[in-house]
Amino acid sequence: SAVISQKPSRDICQRGTSLTIQCQVDSQVTMMFWYRQQPGQSLTLIATANQGSEATYESGFVIDKFPISRPNLTFSTLTVSNLSPEDSSIYLCSVDGQRGRAGANVLTFGAGSRLTVL
Amino acid sequence: DAKTTQPPSMDCAEGRAANLPCNHSTISGNEYVYWYRQIHSQGPQYIIHGLKNNETNEMASLIITEDRKSSTLILPHATLRDTAVYYCIVSAASNFGNEKLTFGTGTRLTIIP
Repeated sequence: SAVISQKPSRDICQRGTSLTIQCQVDSQVTMMFWYRQQPGQSLTLIATANQGSEATYESGFVIDKFPISRPNLTFSTLTVSNLSPEDSSIYLCSVDGQRGRAGANVLTFGAGSRLTVL
Repeated sequence: DAKTTQPPSMDCAEGRAANLPCNHSTISGNEYVYWYRQIHSQGPQYIIHGLKNNETNEMASLIITEDRKSSTLILPHATLRDTAVYYCIVSAASNFGNEKLTFGTGTRLTIIP
């Protein structure tokens, strides 16, 4: 399966600033997904990033707050803009890294980027 | 995607089999059952998936009832490293642009020494 590198692994930011998280994959992948995990909660999908097209955002997430880039098949960035303490979360990148039996959506996840907003 | 129901927490003695149940009574015919786990401070890790038949791999076994309305993940010989949150997810077969997985609240499994 694919190997994912996320940077930064953690950061502390001031409110009103922005943070850009990078996701690098060791192989070409079609779909890349960005998730948020708020403290003590499960994962929530933010958006799906396809190379060469705009990201598709889930309900409750907007491009102005979470702009995403996908310049090629191995790399994506997620920016969290105009930070507030409520944005303190772990942000995870995932890819469809394993093609098992036809139709199976097996995802590989990065280790996550822990953001704390003061 | 169909909704899943899991117990919020479970304990299991080290060395014993851990059996984690999941209800998915509204599952559709083309939906797979997936299991992932998340060890503290790590990203989720894929464990196993199945459609109709029982499945086994090096990590676990997945037992799906004949009516597919529930399933059980079995860790045959639990170790302390299996302490994690386990997520049961039901999702349709992949189509381009529709491969997302929706995570529920999962079961927090604690392995007791």
